[in-house]
Amino acid sequence: GAVVSQHPSWVICKSGTSVKIECRSLDFQATTMFWYRQFPKQSLMLMATSNEGSKATYEQGVEKDKFLINHASLTLSTLTVTSAHPEDSSFYICSASLATDTQYFGPGTRLTVL
Amino acid sequence: SQQGEEDPQALSIQEGENATMNCSYKTSINNLQWYRQNSGRGLVHLILIRSNEREKHSGRLRVTLDTSKKSSSLLITASRAADTASYFCATDVFGNEKLTFGTGTRLTIIP
Repeated sequence: GAVVSQHPSWVICKSGTSVKIECRSLDFQATTMFWYRQFPKQSLMLMATSNEGSKATYEQGVEKDKFLINHASLTLSTLTVTSAHPEDSSFYICSASLATDTQYFGPGTRLTVL
Repeated sequence: SQQGEEDPQALSIQEGENATMNCSYKTSINNLQWYRQNSGRGLVHLILIRSNEREKHSGRLRVTLDTSKKSSSLLITASRAADTASYFCATDVFGNEKLTFGTGTRLTIIP
């Protein structure tokens, strides 16, 4: 149980285009989902906290107009990278909270912006 | 940055040996968790230790927590090639679900 999926697993796009990444909790309802970014050989950095039915809370330094988060249901959150640039190339990982001290992570999405 | 520090950054050991990695953090915590990440993959939850616990075991894993020193250690006994991965500690504080990850340790088990 407690499986989280992400789609796509990898994406390559041209500079200036927008990319949407989906995060789904498959067998549980998650009131809170989190989005992280991980650069090569580095740790995970929290980008934003997504609560179903309300606006996402972004961490300091993360542009909310560039990284649009929508949490439309208890099982789906989406991250849209708008007007992507090469510096946005990274590994994006989501997690879903089942209980207040447990997060389950998706397999990640590798974004490459040419 | 509130990010925790882990050491060593990288560790290579022979299969069968024990691996120990350490995590230090900066603020008072509610829980500390350890995760494993295989290259290019998502995170797998290994173990959670609460701030009022000092030691916890799970299979070949042993985690200690010293809140006075704001540090934790993860011991993997009888290592296997499949243990090759990056290991991260992550902390949360009371009343907040957000996790703060450590810098990670890259563990390589040599067959």
